[in-house]
This record gives sequence, structure tokens and C-alpha cells, in this order.
Amino acid sequence: EPEVTQTPSHQVTQMGQEVILRCVPISNHLYFYWYRQILGQKVEFLVSFYNNEISEKSEIFDDQFSVERPDGSNFTLKIRSTKLEDSAMYFCASSMDAYGYTFGSGTRLTVV
Amino acid sequence: EDQVTQSPEALRLQEGESSSLNCSYTVSGLRGLFWYRQDPGKGPEFLFTLYSAGEEKEKERLKATLTKKESFLHITAPKPEDSATYLCAVQARNTDKLIFGTGTRLQVFP
Repeated sequence: EPEVTQTPSHQVTQMGQEVILRCVPISNHLYFYWYRQILGQKVEFLVSFYNNEISEKSEIFDDQFSVERPDGSNFTLKIRSTKLEDSAMYFCASSMDAYGYTFGSGTRLTVV
Repeated sequence: EDQVTQSPEALRLQEGESSSLNCSYTVSGLRGLFWYRQDPGKGPEFLFTLYSAGEEKEKERLKATLTKKESFLHITAPKPEDSATYLCAVQARNTDKLIFGTGTRLQVFP
């Protein structure tokens, strides 16, 4: 069964450093998303991406965050200057038609 | 404001003891209601999508139902491998983002 692949599974970074989280969505999917889940809290929407541009973003997705689809297979989330409160599980998801998604297994980001 | 509330927060069941999980929602025009299963340290795994009141979907021991205000996930004769957190999410008509509830943590004991 096709799956969304995320790397790395765990990343530790120092506060103020830049991190790039990587995702390989399902190959024929057209819609791409990033969500995050702070430990013990809800899964929260960050951003959606379609046709090579951001289609929607949440209040969380401020100027410190950016997304990119650098080639036909990868989808990345960059955090420019990490803060302690950015520590969370980050989930990439993709969808064929924006009705329900397939999520990846996530990247656990720890900011120290 | 679109919102999802799940209850109970946690549920402990004996193997074979059937029960239901509740998801109450308010949304400005429902596009879809989704149930996901999440194992510790993993991403949400898709279970069901429901689109309109009265709709029901089944998969093995799980059955999801939908009304205009809430959805139920019925678990019939659960097994220990059904232990997980079950997440409910809604999608409004004018967006494709999902709004999640906090989930119900289910533990099934042999």
C-alpha cells in the first residue's frame, strides 16, 4: 500500500538553528499538508500546498516557517530559527482530491 | 468557530466488551467527518470518512455513524490490538484543512 515517507524520524536541534523536515508524498497525490502535534495536545493544521503554492495556512505558520516542493517527489517544511515551543511531532500528509489524507509517521522535533 | 469534542478522554475495556466513542462537532457546513487511529509515536491512520447525516461505514470490528451534530465509533467485541487513540476530525466546505479533536485513548485488556 502506498505510504507517505518522512525523514528524519527524530531531530534534535539547538534553539535558533534552522531545520528542514522532509517528506515524500504518495506519487500521484496533488495536495500536500503539514500538521503538528505537541505532546499531549491535538493534531493542528499548519499549511496546505497545491499546484506549487500555499493554498491555506494557519496562524501558527508565521514567517519562521516555509514549505517547498523542490522537485517532483519531495515536500519540505523549513523552520528558520527554532524556538523551544516548536518541539512537537510534525506530520506530512498528502491527498489525491483534498478529501481525507494519508499521513506519514512523523518527525519528532526536539529543540533544546 | 469550527470545533470537535471527543468523549470519553480514555476508555478501558475488557476484551469482547463492546462500547462507543463519541465525537461532537460544530462546523460551518460539513464537507466530511473523518476517523483516524493513532498508535503511540505514529501518524494518524485513516479509518473512515462520513459525508452526510445518516451515513454509516464499517470495517472489521469498527462501525462509524453520523448525525448532524455528532458521530459515533462503535467497537464490537474489541481485541487488545484495537488499543490506540482514536481521533475524529472535521473538514468544512470552504477549506481542505482538518480540525481534530483531542482523541479517545482506548485500552483493551485480555
